[in-house]
Amino acid sequence: DAGITQSPRHKVTETGTPVTLRCHQTENHRYMYWYRQDPGHGLRLIHYSYGVKDTDKGEVSDGYSVSRSKTEDFLLTLESATSSQTSVYFCAISGLTSGSYFGPGTRLTVT
Amino acid sequence: QQPVQSPQAVILREGEDAVINCSSSKALYSVHWYRQKHGEAPVFLMILLKGGEQKGHEKISASFNEKKQQSSLYLTASQLSYSGTYFCGTEASAGGTSYGKLTFGQGTILTVHP
Repeated sequence: DAGITQSPRHKVTETGTPVTLRCHQTENHRYMYWYRQDPGHGLRLIHYSYGVKDTDKGEVSDGYSVSRSKTEDFLLTLESATSSQTSVYFCAISGLTSGSYFGPGTRLTVT
Repeated sequence: QQPVQSPQAVILREGEDAVINCSSSKALYSVHWYRQKHGEAPVFLMILLKGGEQKGHEKISASFNEKKQQSSLYLTASQLSYSGTYFCGTEASAGGTSYGKLTFGQGTILTVHP
């Protein structure tokens, strides 16, 4: 199994508070991604990174920011959490032609 | 734009075969297939790069028709362990690299009964 972890695994937070989710990999992959998964929408790309300090937006990036200061860590921040951001968040790493490997996920509930 | 998967759900008995289709309106560089069990992360099954190759993984194989922007996943002699939701993920064919960004279909729920 690919060495990829996410923390926290579960979080409940209140509307308006900032939240940071962490993704850590031990595979030294250049490419990392944050997806969210919601019923009826499948998996949607939030942000991605193609190297240290190199990041870009995905299809559902509004309200989210990311940072990557080291190869192994990719952080996702919800600036001011809203109920619409209640979701399961998956981090993934990729070797491009070898497919993407997903972390275990973080279940976030915004009340 | 999200690729379209069909069927949305399929129910099988052990030993039966199934085909799941994935169709995109965009020119594709690659198609990925994943299986997700309830409460777990998606698990990578295989990747098909443009060139129309067919790949196999145990009794699961797939094809990619780049002219039609379609891929099919074939599950033969299904086992109970095949139950789950299957997703295709497509990577658009662009002038430069797309950095492995995937757009996922809505998923196909596969249920295998004894």
